[in-house]
Amino acid sequence: EDQVTQSPEALRLQEGESSSLNCSYTVSGLRGLFWYRQDPGKGPEFLFTLYSAGEEKEKERLKATLTKKESFLHITAPKPEDSATYLCAFSGGGADGLTFGKGTHLIIQP
Amino acid sequence: DTEVTQTPKHLVMGMTNKKSLKCEQHMGHRAMYWYKQKAKKPPELMFVYSYEKLSINESVPSRFSPECPNSSLLNLHLHALQPEDSALYLCASSQVSEPSNQPQHFGDGTRLSIL
Repeated sequence: EDQVTQSPEALRLQEGESSSLNCSYTVSGLRGLFWYRQDPGKGPEFLFTLYSAGEEKEKERLKATLTKKESFLHITAPKPEDSATYLCAFSGGGADGLTFGKGTHLIIQP
Repeated sequence: DTEVTQTPKHLVMGMTNKKSLKCEQHMGHRAMYWYKQKAKKPPELMFVYSYEKLSINESVPSRFSPECPNSSLLNLHLHALQPEDSALYLCASSQVSEPSNQPQHFGDGTRLSIL
């Protein structure tokens, strides 16, 4: 069965403390691996799309990477405004739409 | 602010009511989607409209009925809902749905409560 698994479920960091979020996937015919950020009461906000192993993308303090089995979202020197739930999703496996992981709830303490 | 607009933001309805959720996008996208999100859970796909063709998640009950009047508008008609249908309903759009490798852009959702 096609699926993505995110870890950890929750992560609390001090401001400036860098870390990584993990998204492991098993998908037949992966078309794209997506990262989203979701704030409470809001819809998911698109961050990155990764298509092939070895690909990397960056935006401000965030960097997303992709291997054949997993994707990482690296956050460098985070600030309190980076606190959110980060969702990993894939397209492919013959299904329409996106299939999401359960997310990582990230809290950055000042 | 998102480029996908959903109305209303909040809706409270009884189990015998009929109501509709509305979604609009002005990005020229040709695919639109409905997702359901329960508290502390990820979004789950309900319906896909791509080039005016509907794809349905077979687990979605018939009390939910999508309608796509044109490529910019997407409605979700609700009838005889159950308390377990209370959730955040998210609309999204993308340039195309096939191949399904284009990012989807989401609205902020309609928070639905069934009494």
